[in-house]
Amino acid sequence: EPEVTQTPSHQVTQMGQEVILRCVPISNHLYFYWYRQILGQKVEFLVSFYNNEISEKSEIFDDQFSVERPDGSNFTLKIRSTKLEDSAMYFCASSFQGGQFFGPGTRLTVL
Amino acid sequence: AQRVTQPEKLLSVFKGAPVELKCNYSYSGSPELFWYVQYSRQRLQLLLRHISRESIKGFTADLNKGETSFHLKKPFAQEEDSAMYYCALSGRATDKLIFGTGTRLQVFP
Repeated sequence: EPEVTQTPSHQVTQMGQEVILRCVPISNHLYFYWYRQILGQKVEFLVSFYNNEISEKSEIFDDQFSVERPDGSNFTLKIRSTKLEDSAMYFCASSFQGGQFFGPGTRLTVL
Repeated sequence: AQRVTQPEKLLSVFKGAPVELKCNYSYSGSPELFWYVQYSRQRLQLLLRHISRESIKGFTADLNKGETSFHLKKPFAQEEDSAMYYCALSGRATDKLIFGTGTRLQVFP
C-alpha cells in the first residue's frame, strides 16, 4: 500500500539556521499539506498546496516559511531562520479527495 | 470559532469492555468529521470518516448534528486498540483539518 514518506526523521539545528523538511506524497494525490505538533499540544494546520500553489495557510505560516514542489514528486517545507519555538513534529499529508494520509513526521529540534 | 474538543486525555478500560471516546465540535456550517488513530511509534492513520458510515476494526462513529458530537464507539475493546485517538474536522470551503487534543486509550488485559 503506498504511503507518504518524510525525511529526515529527526533534524537538529541551531537557532537562525535554515532547514528544509522533505516529503514524498502518494503518487496520484493532488492535495498536499503540512501540519505541526508542538510537544504536548494539538496537531496544527500550517499550509495546503494544490495545483502548484498555496491554497490556504494559517497564521503560523509567516514569511519565514515556504513550500515548494520542485520536481513533481517531492514536497518541501523550508523554514528560513529557525526559532526555538519552531521545535515540533512536522507532518506532511496528501489526499486525492476526502481523507488525508499522513507521513511519519520529522522531529525538528532547534537549539 | 472552529474547534474540536476531546474532553478525556486518557481512557482506561479492560479488554472486552465497551469504549466510547468523546468528540464535540464547533463549526458554523456543515463540517466533515474524521477519527485518526496513532499507534505507538507509528503515523497518524485515518480510521473513520463520517460520510463513509462504515465500521473499521469494530469502531463506529455517528455524527449527531443536534449535539455537535462525533463520538467513537466500540462494543468490545481489544488490547491492540491501545493508541492515541484524534478527532478532526474539515469544512466545505476548506479542507484543512482541525484536530482535537487527542485521547489516549489504554486497554488492559
